[in-house]
Amino acid sequence: EDQVTQSPEALRLQEGESSSLNCSYTVSGLRGLFWYRQDPGKGPEFLFTLYSAGEEKEKERLKATLTKKESFLHITAPKPEDSATYLCAVQGNAGNNRKLIWGLGTSLAVNP
Amino acid sequence: GAVVSQHPSWVICKSGTSVKIECRSLDFQATTMFWYRQFPKQSLMLMATSNEGSKATYEQGVEKDKFLINHASLTLSTLTVTSAHPEDSSFYICSVQKTGTGNLGSEAFFGQGTRLTVV
Repeated sequence: EDQVTQSPEALRLQEGESSSLNCSYTVSGLRGLFWYRQDPGKGPEFLFTLYSAGEEKEKERLKATLTKKESFLHITAPKPEDSATYLCAVQGNAGNNRKLIWGLGTSLAVNP
Repeated sequence: GAVVSQHPSWVICKSGTSVKIECRSLDFQATTMFWYRQFPKQSLMLMATSNEGSKATYEQGVEKDKFLINHASLTLSTLTVTSAHPEDSSFYICSVQKTGTGNLGSEAFFGQGTRLTVV
């Protein structure tokens, strides 16, 4: 069964304190792994798509990496405005192959 | 990407009444749209896949007579919560996904979400 597990559940950082969020997955035939940011009371905002192991994507203070078992979202020198819930999802080959399987997210708080 | 507009952003209704939520794809003709439900501090739960011009496909455990979906055009899907009860109170979000290239997956783009409170 396709599954996504994110850790930690919650993370509190000081401004400037770099860290990484983890997304472990099992999926039959990975077609894509996706990272999203969700602010309270809003829909998820797309960040990155990763397709194959070894791939990396970068945007401002965020960098996403992918292996065959997990993905990391690295946050370098975070700012308070990076506070949000970060969601990871995968899309596999099984069944309805446009369906996304979601993790529970990591709630990130960055203190000034 | 794709721009998705969802309306209303919040609604309060009385128990027993019905509520309609609209999801519009503003810059992309979406043959398929997706409806999710999200409880506090929980992840997204796919409720149904809305197919333009045909019946929606509901996920296991989702009552199709309770959550009516209509996808009458390539840019509009609606979700109607019928005879709403307090337990239907939740955050409802729609999304569109473009078809991936070859065997590659495709990212989803979301509306702003609708906070439904049934009193």
